[in-house]
Amino acid sequence: GAGVSQSPRYKVAKRGQDVALRCDPISGHVSLFWYQQALGQGPEFLTYFQNEAQLDKSGLPSDRFFAERPEGSVSTLKIQRTQQEDSAVYLCASSSHGLGYTFGSGTRLTVV
Amino acid sequence: SQQGEEDPQALSIQEGENATMNCSYKTSINNLQWYRQNSGRGLVHLILIRSNEREKHSGRLRVTLDTSKKSSSLLITASRAADTASYFCATDALAGTASKLTFGTGTRLQVTL
Repeated sequence: GAGVSQSPRYKVAKRGQDVALRCDPISGHVSLFWYQQALGQGPEFLTYFQNEAQLDKSGLPSDRFFAERPEGSVSTLKIQRTQQEDSAVYLCASSSHGLGYTFGSGTRLTVV
Repeated sequence: SQQGEEDPQALSIQEGENATMNCSYKTSINNLQWYRQNSGRGLVHLILIRSNEREKHSGRLRVTLDTSKKSSSLLITASRAADTASYFCATDALAGTASKLTFGTGTRLQVTL
């Protein structure tokens, strides 16, 4: 596609609910990243894929967070048993050769 | 955690004036990038400067990099109301391959008519 597509745009979850956030990167982009952006802050790294391989998941805040990219294209970030501190914008980015990243518009997650 | 800080946190100027934002970072880098984020939207890549470059221009944007001071600045000349957004610097530590970006805290720019 022309850009990085994320869905849903907005998600309201009750505390304890599981959520799944989808990222559709630019076709052919090998690298895919997930970031978490709290209100008024810069994005913080969560995890990185090169094709289907998850090469770095050091930023995932707890074992409730899980990401996958089984076929090396679409990626899903799953958060189990959501808590209020998970409320944030979740951004996905893809890159072809590491020079400049294209970000999606993000999913705003609100846990109530 | 954030790589460093941006200064100022907020900046309000009138259309036509220049806007300067500064970024400091903590560790060695391969390149530094600037991004713009409109309210409620994703980040848009503006410009990338490599660690062996000192200055770079793109349209109304001018970026400088001082690796000895671990700092960078973004200058927007002849600002427009449409430049109103948050601006973030981000550092990339690895060479030759995609790697995670470490973002600063951002500068919120308001350009008024």
